[in-house]
Amino acid sequence: DARVTQTPRDKVTEMGQEVTMRCQPILGHNTVFWYRQTMMQGLELLAYFRNRAPLDDSGMPKDRFSAEMPDATLATLKIQPSEPRDSAVYFCASGSYEQYFGPGTRLTVT
Amino acid sequence: AQSVTQLDSQVPVFEEAPVELRCNYSSSVSVYLFWYVQYPNQGLQLLLKYLSGSTLVKGINGFEAEFNKSQTSFHLRKPSVHISDTAEYFCAVSDPYSGGGADGLTFGKGTHLIIQP
Repeated sequence: DARVTQTPRDKVTEMGQEVTMRCQPILGHNTVFWYRQTMMQGLELLAYFRNRAPLDDSGMPKDRFSAEMPDATLATLKIQPSEPRDSAVYFCASGSYEQYFGPGTRLTVT
Repeated sequence: AQSVTQLDSQVPVFEEAPVELRCNYSSSVSVYLFWYVQYPNQGLQLLLKYLSGSTLVKGINGFEAEFNKSQTSFHLRKPSVHISDTAEYFCAVSDPYSGGGADGLTFGKGTHLIIQP
């Protein structure tokens, strides 16, 4: 049963520290998405890649967030420096027409 | 920009009763429509999708939804709910991508379905 995997599942860090989240998409899926879920804003699209090329990152704060896809089996989302307002659950999803979500990384910035 | 409205933030229903969760979207052009379910502390699971064709789509766990273009709605229904259906349900919309596939999802705020024994 193919699944999207994400690491770490939970991350607690102090303000100002760098945070890296990783995602392994389902093999064969050509599109990878990053979403953020908070109580206030709900689910928001941050960025996505198609065939490893960035297509849209307009939902991402450019000054501190960066997303990359170094190869077809790995997508990364980095926050540097992290701030308390970045506390959220970050989801990776992969697919073509429909999207399959990973379990998420719960980030807490103190 | 597209938007999705889920009219009810919370829906309490008795076990074995029918339920309808409402969803309206803003786009007047071709769209893809989805319903996802999220159980506590888990990711989102796809319940069903509408890409084209028949306006009545059936999904997993006995759920179905009807696409109504004139009313820009995509309401989710189940004829008889079970305690295990207690979860958060999200309606989402995306644009078709010209090269095949779909763009990123725009989600509604979610509806918390509470099943009462």
